[in-house]
Amino acid sequence: NAGVTQTPKFRILKIGQSMTLQCTQDMNHNYMYWYRQDPGMGLKLIYYSVGAGITDKGEVPNGYNVSRSTTEDFPLRLELAAPSQTSVYFCASASIGAAHRSGNTIYFGEGSWLTVV
Amino acid sequence: AQSVAQPEDQVNVAEGNPLTVKCTYSVSGNPYLFWYVQYPNRGLQFLLKYITGDNLVKGSYGFEAEFNKSQTSFHLKKPSALVSDSALYFCAVRAPGDYKLSFGAGTTVTVRA
Repeated sequence: NAGVTQTPKFRILKIGQSMTLQCTQDMNHNYMYWYRQDPGMGLKLIYYSVGAGITDKGEVPNGYNVSRSTTEDFPLRLELAAPSQTSVYFCASASIGAAHRSGNTIYFGEGSWLTVV
Repeated sequence: AQSVAQPEDQVNVAEGNPLTVKCTYSVSGNPYLFWYVQYPNRGLQFLLKYITGDNLVKGSYGFEAEFNKSQTSFHLKKPSALVSDSALYFCAVRAPGDYKLSFGAGTTVTVRA
């Protein structure tokens, strides 16, 4: 019952460093997402993917990159980390579309707490 | 564009009393509506959803929500709150054919013993 798995759970970065947040799901979901959560702001969509090889920008994509080489994996890359990227990051997945029957629920990972100093 | 409003930042109730967390939405077409709960330092856990059918939806941990199309609301309710229900609650909406959820800012629920 792994669901959506994110690593690392916690990380401190220095300004200008780069890192990758890993995300994998074992539910054969077609859609995958990266959200960031800031206090009092709800969740904002960074990037999403509708399937392997296809990605697109969400509401707040600047400073991030993604790739989707397989159905299972959707890593988020932070290039040149900035203090504004201090946040909690959530990966999520869902089956959406006529070919999928799971009922549209988006399932979330446990989160990655990132601090940029 | 779709959006969600959770008008209360905080809700405080005594254990055993009814709990209500309010949510209103704006979306084109018939909405898909969701409630999630987040405990400290944890991810979002799915509670319940409305896609179609019965306006009263029952979910996990004794929670339920009522879809009201005329008032564009989807309030979360629990008849008798527990201390363990203390958490951050998010309402979310998705338009049919859309790919993403739009979230409210969240409501912190505190249930006192």
